[in-house]
Amino acid sequence: DTGVSQNPRHKITKRGQNVTFRCDPISEHNRLYWYRQTLGQGPEFLTYFQNEAQLEKSRLLSDRFSAERPKGSFSTLEIQRTEQGDSAMYLCASSLLTEKLFFGSGTQLSVL
Amino acid sequence: AQSVTQLGSHVSVSEGALVLLRCNYSSSVPPYLFWYVQYPNQGLQLLLKYTSAATLVKGINGFEAEFKKSETSFHLTKPSAHMSDAAEYFCAVSRGDGGSQGNLIFGKGTKLSVKP
Repeated sequence: DTGVSQNPRHKITKRGQNVTFRCDPISEHNRLYWYRQTLGQGPEFLTYFQNEAQLEKSRLLSDRFSAERPKGSFSTLEIQRTEQGDSAMYLCASSLLTEKLFFGSGTQLSVL
Repeated sequence: AQSVTQLGSHVSVSEGALVLLRCNYSSSVPPYLFWYVQYPNQGLQLLLKYTSAATLVKGINGFEAEFKKSETSFHLTKPSAHMSDAAEYFCAVSRGDGGSQGNLIFGKGTKLSVKP
């Protein structure tokens, strides 16, 4: 068990650029979640996969955001045409059915 | 709709003193409630969870929380603080509208400082 891995740890980009983050869950976990955390706030749910199926999406997830989980293993979160308001820590978590969530250390995005 | 309110963004205690972190919730259905801890540069870790079994829930590292329906509270306590308990603590409630239990609504967090 190597835990949930997220890459990169930090990403600095210019407004209008596209960015992609990767999450590798714990290998036997079939559920994968994306959350976003801004300074002084708790994490906010973005979306969730069970295996390769995206089953829930938050209204926070605008059309510029897309997430995939091909083959039910790793997941990517892409943000197109980034805006300064997208600056946040993006957290990934995985779980086995309804068991507890295991969080990664996150990807800190800064949009200049 | 579900919501969580954590009272106090910062709490400071002396080593060996009681830790009390407050959480109140609002839920239209019987809630699943959680406490997570976040150490600097680490991912959130589950401390404990309430899923409608015993109202007093014991977690890791000596923490426990009591579910009080009449007060809509789920406060986190530890009898004796240790320096290693310094971290940020988040209370969360499961959205509970038929979605995944992992679709959580988090409070804003409470930073715990422990003085020697």
